[in-house]
Amino acid sequence: QKEVEQNSGPLSVPEGAIASLNCTYSDRGSQSFFWYRQYSGKSPELIMFIYSNGDKEDGRFTAQLNKASQYVSLLIRDSQPSDSATYLCAGDTGRRALTFGSGTRLQVQP
Amino acid sequence: GAGVSQSPSNKVTEKGKDVELRCDPISGHTALYWYRQSLGQGLEFLIYFQGNSAPDKSGLPSDRFSAERTGGSVSTLTIQRTQQEDSAVYLCASSLAQGSSPLHFGNGTRLTVT
Repeated sequence: QKEVEQNSGPLSVPEGAIASLNCTYSDRGSQSFFWYRQYSGKSPELIMFIYSNGDKEDGRFTAQLNKASQYVSLLIRDSQPSDSATYLCAGDTGRRALTFGSGTRLQVQP
Repeated sequence: GAGVSQSPSNKVTEKGKDVELRCDPISGHTALYWYRQSLGQGLEFLIYFQGNSAPDKSGLPSDRFSAERTGGSVSTLTIQRTQQEDSAVYLCASSLAQGSSPLHFGNGTRLTVT
């Protein structure tokens, strides 16, 4: 079992819809989780981080963490074509460095 | 500079040659990471430095790979006797501390082994 798992997608949503990206992790001791966005040919950029159970909102983005279910999600409201990218979930899975999932490719259709 | 700086941005080398990739982290960041990303794949952890602690080398794929960090700042990743399967984008990141601090990535070095 991978330490951080994501559906590779692509996840296709129409412009204006809510995109829901999901991530599960195997280490119950993990405390910190991060969502990165990566455009094709570019390096990852931080979107959000979440440490506590519940929801954290920042503009159109909401991160959700459920430690009991070992589940992290990212919701993107009012999706725009410019949101089309690969979204990487990362967690501190007991290693000293963050462990990344393989990413979910999001396509927002105009 | 304001961000993580990597050089070169692109490197083409012949199979069997050695290459050195450089990373200059954000000033004040004590943690430095190297990841590798092959085309269409996720990020593969290579090595991690934190302050003066012994580096975590658990992700290095073979003994042809090595890295050092001088003076707690600049890091060099060295690949000896390069192979075609080493072709990838090598990403460096830094953070204020380990674990809970967000990583800030450089633009990467695209390595092509011919």
